[in-house]
Amino acid sequence: AQSVTQLGSHVSVSEGALVLLRCNYSSSVPPYLFWYVQYPNQGLQLLLKYTSAATLVKGINGFEAEFKKSETSFHLTKPSAHMSDAAEYFCAVSSSGGYQKVTFGIGTKLQVIP
Amino acid sequence: DSGVTQTPKHLITATGQRVTLRCSPRSGDLSVYWYQQSLDQGLQFLIQYYNGEERAKGNILERFSAQQFPDLHSELNLSSLELGDSALYFCASSVGRMNTGELFFGEGSRLTVL
Repeated sequence: AQSVTQLGSHVSVSEGALVLLRCNYSSSVPPYLFWYVQYPNQGLQLLLKYTSAATLVKGINGFEAEFKKSETSFHLTKPSAHMSDAAEYFCAVSSSGGYQKVTFGIGTKLQVIP
Repeated sequence: DSGVTQTPKHLITATGQRVTLRCSPRSGDLSVYWYQQSLDQGLQFLIQYYNGEERAKGNILERFSAQQFPDLHSELNLSSLELGDSALYFCASSVGRMNTGELFFGEGSRLTVL
């Protein structure tokens, strides 16, 4: 079984401040982990992914996430928030091998305050 | 452009009616996933198909059914519609077996039930 917990359904940051979106996972096998972003009225698009290579993963738009096995976490960060970062962010987990059931978290809406 | 095509983009219908949503996956992708996104329940996994066969089932109502055809496109059928079925329905695709599980999402079909 696998699951994802995103802490905080809404996060507000000031423009230029650090963005930190939290994600903890549970998986009985080595996981693949993802962050997706959804802008208003659009589908989800991949921001970054962890697939058992480097534990620090860099994605698009200056975002990065660090896989910490001991903490079962995969938090998303960006050093300096931009107004265009306002969106909903979803953490997801899939199990390696097989037919890849993908489980999403509830999502975190990021508000960027000017 | 993710390469996943969903039609129709918008659909307005009445309670009790039946609708069909269509999804064409990315070229070469064998797995198709259906998700329902609503304001109160977030992103809910409905069902997954791999190369024409059902592989995983989520929170899909008995009034809903889906299939994946030999050409790999998929249809989601929603019947006896209720007001609560109003939502954004996403299709996603992936290569499938022995893949990292990265999903490519369409732009969704927005269903409004009046």
